[in-house]
Amino acid sequence: QVQLVESGGGLVKPGGSLRLSCAASGFTFSDYYMSWIRQAPGKGLEWVSYISSSGSTIYYADSVKGRFTISRDNAKNSLYLQMNSLRAEDTAVYYCAPSPGRWFDPWGQGTLVTVSS
Amino acid sequence: DIQMTQSPSSLSASVGDRVTITCRASQSISSYLNWYQQKPGKAPKLLIYAASSLQSGVPSRFSGSGSGTDFTLTISSLQPEDFATYYCQQSYSTPGITFGQGTRLEIK
Repeated sequence: QVQLVESGGGLVKPGGSLRLSCAASGFTFSDYYMSWIRQAPGKGLEWVSYISSSGSTIYYADSVKGRFTISRDNAKNSLYLQMNSLRAEDTAVYYCAPSPGRWFDPWGQGTLVTVSS
Repeated sequence: DIQMTQSPSSLSASVGDRVTITCRASQSISSYLNWYQQKPGKAPKLLIYAASSLQSGVPSRFSGSGSGTDFTLTISSLQPEDFATYYCQQSYSTPGITFGQGTRLEIK
């Protein structure tokens, strides 16, 4: 079955960096657009970024543009999010999800990023 | 960005009730509207895509309708496992995908 496992979260100081990974299995990873979506503690959902199946098309939310970089390695069935210049407002659970259409399904279990001094 | 507004923000209902949650877009989004269910400590789960298509494996008591700016998610007969938070999401504007603020469905 489809499985998405995020990793790489943790505690980081403001201005610091983290790299999140999402390991995918159970589907043909290279066929799907992939996205990162985040959820601040006790808050709603915010789309962060997506990347096309080949990696040639990438979009970011304005809130992370210039600081975050999405990438993928289709040979490794993996999605990444390099997060630089982290701010307190980036504190959230980060989920990865494929887009079989113009929706997200399924979602990984998420990885928590905490930005605090 | 297109703003998505859900109503109500919270709702108390009983097992067996019929429940409707509304999502309104700040501009027309055709049928590019999806619904998710999220239980505490869990990832969101897709229920409805393209406004009215039921995701495989989702019980038929869930249904979606609407187009343009106004959409509804209906649960025909609430079950204990349906108490959760529900989010709508528009995919008309890409990039610029946005979610509603969520509707928390609680047991009365």
